[in-house]
Amino acid sequence: SQTIHQWPATLVQPVGSPLSLECTVEGTSNPNLYWYRQAAGRGLQLLFYSVGIGQISSEVPQNLSASRPQDRQFILSSKKLLLSDSGFYLCALRETSGTSYNEQFFGPGTRLTVL
Amino acid sequence: DAKTTQPPSMDCAEGRAANLPCNHSTISGNEYVYWYRQIHSQGPQYIIHGLKNNETNEMASLIITEDRKSSTLILPHATLRDTAVYYCIVSTDSWGKFQFGAGTQVVVTP
Repeated sequence: SQTIHQWPATLVQPVGSPLSLECTVEGTSNPNLYWYRQAAGRGLQLLFYSVGIGQISSEVPQNLSASRPQDRQFILSSKKLLLSDSGFYLCALRETSGTSYNEQFFGPGTRLTVL
Repeated sequence: DAKTTQPPSMDCAEGRAANLPCNHSTISGNEYVYWYRQIHSQGPQYIIHGLKNNETNEMASLIITEDRKSSTLILPHATLRDTAVYYCIVSTDSWGKFQFGAGTQVVVTP
């Protein structure tokens, strides 16, 4: 079965500092990968998704970017963090084999606090 | 994707069935209904999904009305560990994109 690793688990960063969050997956090949953000007390917002290496689609304009340098690696970055970037960042995967309506599986998340 | 409407909160007694409603009146014919739950400070956990037939797995049952405009997630014997926010999502996006709403906060009490 598939496994999603995210690190770090928690992070406290000053405003204006850079960010790099990493997601790696195991047990699957050529998955669709997703980055979501959950602000405090809110629902999940889809930020980016990727259907393959180097293929990134952005859902909302923001201070963040994503990259997929390898099939099972998805990275979320920022050059300069804003206070509004604080939140719970979740990586998810969806297998592309089988049906078109496979469910998504979520990682453990990274809790980011920008001060 | 169709929007969903869920009650913001509901309580359930431990050992009783929990019936969680979801309204998706604008659902289109090829959109699936997915249910997830999120326990505090964890990533969402997949529960079940379906198109038009009722579905059951080891976690829950999903009842979809004949007109598909609403569905009910049933947790047959709620335990304290079922306390979580439950999300109902409808999607047919070929990229698998989900739009999460606010969900229903379920509190299971002893």
